[in-house]
Amino acid sequence: DAGVIQSPRHEVTEMGQEVTLRCKPISGHNSLFWYRQTMMRGLELLIYFNNNVPIDDSGMPEDRFSAKMPNASFSTLKIQPSEPRDSAVYFCASSFQVTTEAFFGQGTRLTVV
Amino acid sequence: KNQVEQSPQSLIILEGKNCTLQCNYTVSPFSNLRWYKQDTGRGPVSLTIMTFSENTKSNGRYTATLDADTKQSSLHITASQLSDSASYICVVRGGGTSYGKLTFGQGTILTVHP
Repeated sequence: DAGVIQSPRHEVTEMGQEVTLRCKPISGHNSLFWYRQTMMRGLELLIYFNNNVPIDDSGMPEDRFSAKMPNASFSTLKIQPSEPRDSAVYFCASSFQVTTEAFFGQGTRLTVV
Repeated sequence: KNQVEQSPQSLIILEGKNCTLQCNYTVSPFSNLRWYKQDTGRGPVSLTIMTFSENTKSNGRYTATLDADTKQSSLHITASQLSDSASYICVVRGGGTSYGKLTFGQGTILTVHP
């Protein structure tokens, strides 16, 4: 298996634009997590899904952030409109179950200018 | 409030030396504690996971300890190598529900010099 696949690896966008980050979890994994990492705040859990259903989105910072998982092999994290403070590395991770080991993707480095 | 504090924030050691990273937590109830290694530009990778009843667990040159009474964990790296240079993140999962909430430490940045 190729592991968790995220795209794009890098994204530079202007403030106010819509940004969509994509994630393909490991086949057979039932749980998917979106994280954000910054120097100031470290690693933060934004939202996670179990069997394609959002379970806990309490980490989503604002209504500008939304996440979907239309099927077991694909998820998106959307920011609309983007702001400079959204600049961070966004990680997607998947696991067989919610409490088992999560495997992380390579991350998407987002820069909002 | 559930918190995970790691120390030191950063550490520089010479290749071949040993080092110990610390993790103190206030998460309660407690389910498990995991140490991750994150190489620059990569996602975190799990090194060890420890539950309440485990005191020590090893993964090659990495040995994690857990004292659930004092809510402290350590990660000891033996005979460090240049490839150990990374950020090490301590993550604690709370108990009490089927989907225990995760609390992350800020990480310790380890640099191993030749």
